[in-house]
Amino acid sequence: NAGVTQTPKFQVLKTGQSMTLQCAQDMNHEYMSWYRQDPGMGLRLIHYSVGAGITDQGEVPNGYNVSRSTTEDFPLRLLSAAPSQTSVYFCASRLRDGTNTGELFFGEGSRLTVL
Amino acid sequence: AQSVTQLGSHVSVSEGALVLLRCNYSSSVPPYLFWYVQYPNQGLQLLLKYTTGATLVKGINGFEAEFKKSETSFHLTKPSAHMSDAAEYFCAVSEGYSSASKIIFGSGTRLSIRP
Repeated sequence: NAGVTQTPKFQVLKTGQSMTLQCAQDMNHEYMSWYRQDPGMGLRLIHYSVGAGITDQGEVPNGYNVSRSTTEDFPLRLLSAAPSQTSVYFCASRLRDGTNTGELFFGEGSRLTVL
Repeated sequence: AQSVTQLGSHVSVSEGALVLLRCNYSSSVPPYLFWYVQYPNQGLQLLLKYTTGATLVKGINGFEAEFKKSETSFHLTKPSAHMSDAAEYFCAVSEGYSSASKIIFGSGTRLSIRP
């Protein structure tokens, strides 16, 4: 059982370049989300989705785009990379159960450096 | 909006000593609360969660946490630390009860274990 799979694991970009971080899950989870992890700041929510065709902004959405065309995939796009986007990015998913007691399942992370 | 405060970005204890990691939250409604653990170069995994019912919650690896509404706290404890407990720990709160509710994380506490 693969769980949540993120690619690439490492990426170096130049300022102004664009790229897409991929996230796929095989657990039929309706809810998917992207976080960034920075030292001393914990995990901050970028965007999330409660199902195919539905996305919403989190705490720090600026500079990022998402789409959800299928239940399985939730790519995160950096439109024009900036050094401030250097971070470790985590994709997480969970069942959209009725009481929101479901735990988040995390991918292993994607480490992005913007020069 | 709900928020989480973790007191102490770094805690160091001796092997066999009590582990106490502090978490306080703010919420206008009764919260759902979580503790996650992150081992080096890995994603996060759930340690334990509080939703309703018994306020003392037991999790994996001998950890437990107690929900104290009057103190708006959800501190994590373990009676006797093991070297394998060295990791980063995150407290999180669910922002509401709906199936679309976001989960907001604290800034994390790094736990070190001295031999």
